[in-house]
Formats: sequence, C-alpha cells, structure tokens
Amino acid sequence: DSGVTQTPKHLITATGQRVTLRCSPRSGDLSVYWYQQSLDQGLQFLIQYYNGEERAKGNILERFSAQQFPDLHSELNLSSLELGDSALYFCASSVDLGGTEAFFGQGTRLTVV
Amino acid sequence: QQQVKQSPQSLIVQKGGISIINCAYENTAFDYFPWYQQFPGKGPALLIAIRPDVSEKKEGRFTISFNKSAKQFSLHIMDSQPGDSATYFCAASIRSGTASKLTFGTGTRLQVTL
Repeated sequence: DSGVTQTPKHLITATGQRVTLRCSPRSGDLSVYWYQQSLDQGLQFLIQYYNGEERAKGNILERFSAQQFPDLHSELNLSSLELGDSALYFCASSVDLGGTEAFFGQGTRLTVV
Repeated sequence: QQQVKQSPQSLIVQKGGISIINCAYENTAFDYFPWYQQFPGKGPALLIAIRPDVSEKKEGRFTISFNKSAKQFSLHIMDSQPGDSATYFCAASIRSGTASKLTFGTGTRLQVTL
C-alpha cells in the first residue's frame, strides 16, 4: 500500500458527461501529480500541484481540470467526455517539488461508453 | 516526441535467469532516473532509482547501470523469480525547485517462467 488513496476505483459513464476523480496523497506529501495511462499512449503526465498551487502542466486537455485543496487532497475533473478518454488515471504524491520518490495510487479506471 | 525509449516491449526469462531492460533518453537535462514496477490492476511502484553522478546502483536483486555519455540506462534483475512477472517502466525527470514531472518509457512486460 503506497498510502495514496484514489476514489472511485472504477467509473463507467456516457460520452458528453462530466466526472470527478479524487486523490488523497500520502500523509506529509505536498506534491500531487496526475497521470493518464492508456494502451496506445502509455503513462502520460497531466498536471502537478504543490501545496495548492499548479506547478507543471503536461498533455492535459482543455476539457480536463484539476485542483488541490487546503487539506492537500486533489480532484481531477474531466468534462465533455469522449470515448478516447477511457483510460486509467493515476494520482501520485511526493514530499517535495522535485518529484523524487513519487508514490502512486491504485488508479481510477474510467470507461466512457 | 518520445523522450525516453524503452526496450524490449516484452521479455520472457526462465526462473533464475537475468532480466535486462534498456532505456535511452534524449534530454541531457534529466537528472533522476527511476524504475517502476506495475502489477495488473495496481499503480506503478518505485523499485529503484539512480542519479547521473553514479554509474551503478544495486538494491538486492535489482541493479541499475547508467551510461551518461551514451544517454542510456538499464535495469538488471538477477535470479529472476515468477513473482517478478510484471510490467516495468523506466522514467526520467528533471529535479527542480519549482516543478517536476516523470517522463515514462513505454514499458516492458516481463514474464518469468518456471
């Protein structure tokens, strides 16, 4: 158990809908990262937050947004969902900004039908 | 542009054998190179990591070899066991005081047979 908690584990939704994925980082970790894992794209970095502030952005679509709350948990919002958004979404956390020793949660499997 | 290239895509090794997975990177600014192990239905788990000021790091049966001039690094799993069967990802990042992200290789599916 990495100490990073993601909910829900599975999510099935229709195209055009909006969903929210939740992540609780390890105790003491200030950085939260979101990654998307799909069969054709592998593990892709989406976004990093540190202590409530956005710090780095990767290949995140405009339909996607994230935030980190004062209690350090983070949410990833996916809207206007398309079939191609079906993937595993992972949250990771680390104690610092540098991203060393990032610990991953078990992921949320999103299926868009 | 794929900044971290990983090979092979899949690997079958007999129990007790040595598993070798290779990665090559392009960005010379990368200064942290971790390997992650992922079992089906689980998130990636940090296995071992190296920084470019050393050429080798060993932890138990797992060794990273690093060649800075060739911009390559590899994972060696000695005495491979069936429990090592998993997907392995190399990654690279730039340690920064302001932000960070891991750039992953495409993964190697390792199967250790009896």
